[in-house]
Amino acid sequence: EIVLTQSPATLSLSPGERATLSCRASQSVSSYLAWYQQKPGQAPRLLIYDASNRATDIPARFSGSGSGTDFTLTISSLEPEDFAVYYCQLRSDWPPLYTFGQGTKLEIK
Amino acid sequence: EVQLLESGGGLIQPGGSLRLSCAASGFTFAKYAMTWVRQAPGKGLEWVSAISGTGGSTYYADSVRGLFTISRDNSKNTLYLQMNSLRAEDTAVYYCAKDISQSYFGSGSRNWFDPWGQGTLVTVSS
Repeated sequence: EIVLTQSPATLSLSPGERATLSCRASQSVSSYLAWYQQKPGQAPRLLIYDASNRATDIPARFSGSGSGTDFTLTISSLEPEDFAVYYCQLRSDWPPLYTFGQGTKLEIK
Repeated sequence: EVQLLESGGGLIQPGGSLRLSCAASGFTFAKYAMTWVRQAPGKGLEWVSAISGTGGSTYYADSVRGLFTISRDNSKNTLYLQMNSLRAEDTAVYYCAKDISQSYFGSGSRNWFDPWGQGTLVTVSS
């Protein structure tokens, strides 16, 4: 079973700052990785898929990078609405099973 | 506009059964894989199950395999999750979500899910 570890658990930043969130897999997952944003009381929303592709209507300030075991979600300049919990998710090739990381809470400093 | 509306949650005793539904609209339901994801109160996300557009392929997390069954009725644009032998640790909000593309679901495919419904709460307690 592949384990995803997200760091840090909590990230405290101010609007306008750059956020860098990390997701590390216990073994290579190629680029089968996605990032989701979840705000309190809301369903998650897909931000990035295949490690680096922005989902529909996602602002350009969100970007994803990485392959293999190390992945990064970068928010170039934080907007007030970006403070939320972020999850990475991997998909195993076969069988197609999914695993989430434990999440990173991005909070206002 | 894509809409997903879950229903069927509620309070159920340990060992009981429950069937969740996810009514879909705004897209050609039969052409998209679908998935269920759950979130225990105050906890992170846990993938539960997924199903191909035709319903011919189904996949489960180890934690629910043999206990839960995913299915779909493409004539009714509805996704289901039959949950049997429920345990306290199954208490969660259950979300359904749609594949972002009309791709096949199998080895080498890249299936990611969005949007999600608003979720339905299942509470397993005596």
